[in-house]
Order: sequence, then structure tokens, then C-alpha cells
Amino acid sequence: SQKIEQNSEALNIQEGKTATLTCNYTNYSPAYLQWYRQDPGRGPVFLLLIRENEKEKRKERLKVTFDTTLKQSLFHITASQPADSATYLCAFFTGGGNKLTFGTGTQLKVEL
Amino acid sequence: NAGVTQTPKFQVLKTGQSMTLQCAQDMNHEYMSWYRQDPGMGLRLIHYSVGAGITDQGEVPNGYNVSRSTTEDFPLRLLSAAPSQTSVYFCASSSGLAAQETQYFGPGTRLLVL
Repeated sequence: SQKIEQNSEALNIQEGKTATLTCNYTNYSPAYLQWYRQDPGRGPVFLLLIRENEKEKRKERLKVTFDTTLKQSLFHITASQPADSATYLCAFFTGGGNKLTFGTGTQLKVEL
Repeated sequence: NAGVTQTPKFQVLKTGQSMTLQCAQDMNHEYMSWYRQDPGMGLRLIHYSVGAGITDQGEVPNGYNVSRSTTEDFPLRLLSAAPSQTSVYFCASSSGLAAQETQYFGPGTRLLVL
């Protein structure tokens, strides 16, 4: 079955540094990959989508890469701020485009 | 727009009781789905609907029923609650079926089954 893996260990970084989160997938070749942010006690919020023919996508301080050969997506937050502290989830659609499969998420903590 | 709303926010059930988790969206979205989120397991798809009158199973459908009589509403029914159904439940919607559509999530319902 399709599987998405994200680092289950929390990532702690200092304010101002670049945070890099990893999403690896197996047994599937998604045409699109999405990234979400989830704060405690809240539902996920969509951040970025990247297509398989887009090597890189940017939105303000966020950057996502998509390497279909490595079956990996990297999510970068530059000039990180304490407000960026949250859990970040990657996801892609399977089942003919109707079923969204999520990774378990990586918790990011940005310290002053 | 209220977006995606879910009720109740919290619920405590006894084993064997039934209940319905409500989900509504006011964005005229065709696609709606239910997920459960458990520690260490991430979000798992329970059921989804691609339009009124059409539903299908996700990854973990056992113990749950859904129906979609209107575009706006997508209730999730637990017929006989079990402790294994203790979880946080999220409803989501999107405007289309394609994988590039943004999913909008509700605030969640926290369910405890004793």
C-alpha cells in the first residue's frame, strides 16, 4: 500500500535559521504533493501544492521541492520564527485522485 | 463564509452507544471527507464523498457509516461505539476531485469512548 514517511522526532531550531522537513513516499508516484500546517487542537491548514513536473515551489518564506527519482519532498522555512512552531504534514492523493493519504507529521519548534 | 463546521466539539460516549458527528460546509464544495487522527498514526481517511448521493470507503471505514443527502452536509455515524474509536475526528471539503485542490478542514470533534 502507499506509504508516506515523515520524521517523527521533533525538529528544534533557532529563530532565524532555515528549517528543513522531509517527506518520503513509497509504492506510489503521486502527480501532486501537498503540505499542511497543524496547530495543537486545530485542523490542518493547506500551505503549498507541488506538481511532479515542478522541481521547486515557493510562497513567501516557504519552499517545497519534489524529487520523483528519490521519492522525496523537502519543505523549507527560511528565517524561521517562533510563530512557525507547529506540526507539518505532507499528503498526496491516491485511489484515482479521491483518497488523500497523510504522513504522520513532523513537529517543528522554533526557539528564541 | 463559516467554512467547514463540526459539531459537537467534545463528546463522551459509553461503549455501545450511538451518535452522529455533524459536518457542514458553506462553500458549495463537491468533495467531502472524514478523517480520524490518533497519536503516532497521523490522519487516516474514514469515508469520503464526491458529491450528493455518492459515498465511498477510505482506509479505516469499519464501525462508521456516512450519507450525503445534500451538498452542504456530510454526517458521520457511529452505530455502536467502541473504545478503539476514541480519537479526534476531522471533516474536510474541497471544490473538486483533482489532487491539486486545497482541502479545507474543520476544527475537529474530540471523542472519548469509555
